[in-house]
Amino acid sequence: KTQVEQSPQSLVVRQGENCVLQCNYSVTPDNHLRWFKQDTGKGLVSLTVLVDQKDKTSNGRYSATLDKDAKHSTLHITATLLDDTATYICVVGDRGSALGRLHFGAGTQLIVIP
Amino acid sequence: DMKVTQMPRYLIKRMGENVLLECGQDMSHETMYWYRQDPGLGLQLIYISYDVDSNSEGDIPKGYRVSRKKREHFSLILDSAKTNQTSVYFCASSLDREVFFGKGTRLTVV
Repeated sequence: KTQVEQSPQSLVVRQGENCVLQCNYSVTPDNHLRWFKQDTGKGLVSLTVLVDQKDKTSNGRYSATLDKDAKHSTLHITATLLDDTATYICVVGDRGSALGRLHFGAGTQLIVIP
Repeated sequence: DMKVTQMPRYLIKRMGENVLLECGQDMSHETMYWYRQDPGLGLQLIYISYDVDSNSEGDIPKGYRVSRKKREHFSLILDSAKTNQTSVYFCASSLDREVFFGKGTRLTVV
């Protein structure tokens, strides 16, 4: 059973527009949540990690929220660029140590058009 | 420079051949992983290694084995590859909450 659900599956936006990606999960315990960016044919690059019960982070044009009560996270991308075209993957870690497991969403494919 | 390196990046093998995928990391991380990524699915854990010669099965270990004889090096072995093992394989290493991924190996079994 999929424990990390991402929506939408895919999204097309025009350069300069903002977008919001969603992540809902049922992983327990939920120690932390991380968003990755995966360019086509490349590895996963970490964008941000959220840890607290209700957490917010900001990394340039990327900002994210986490609500552990709702088991829900969002990734906001502001003023999108063509280079933002990628798959964005939500990952929930059930522990903060090597004994933990990472639970991966299938990703949201974002396409930014001119 | 923190890095996870995978070799080769692309590989085509015939069904029944043996396959060796190699992964190295320069961060002295104890924990390393092998995942596979298929379209429409999240990354699936094949094996996890907690240190040299301390390996555990992940969620989909069937058809795979691993070897970790040095902390910085973790290999994934497919004995007699099958067509359903065509996939993109990712290696990762971690310390606490930090995790670093390699660029992946695209394996095609024909």
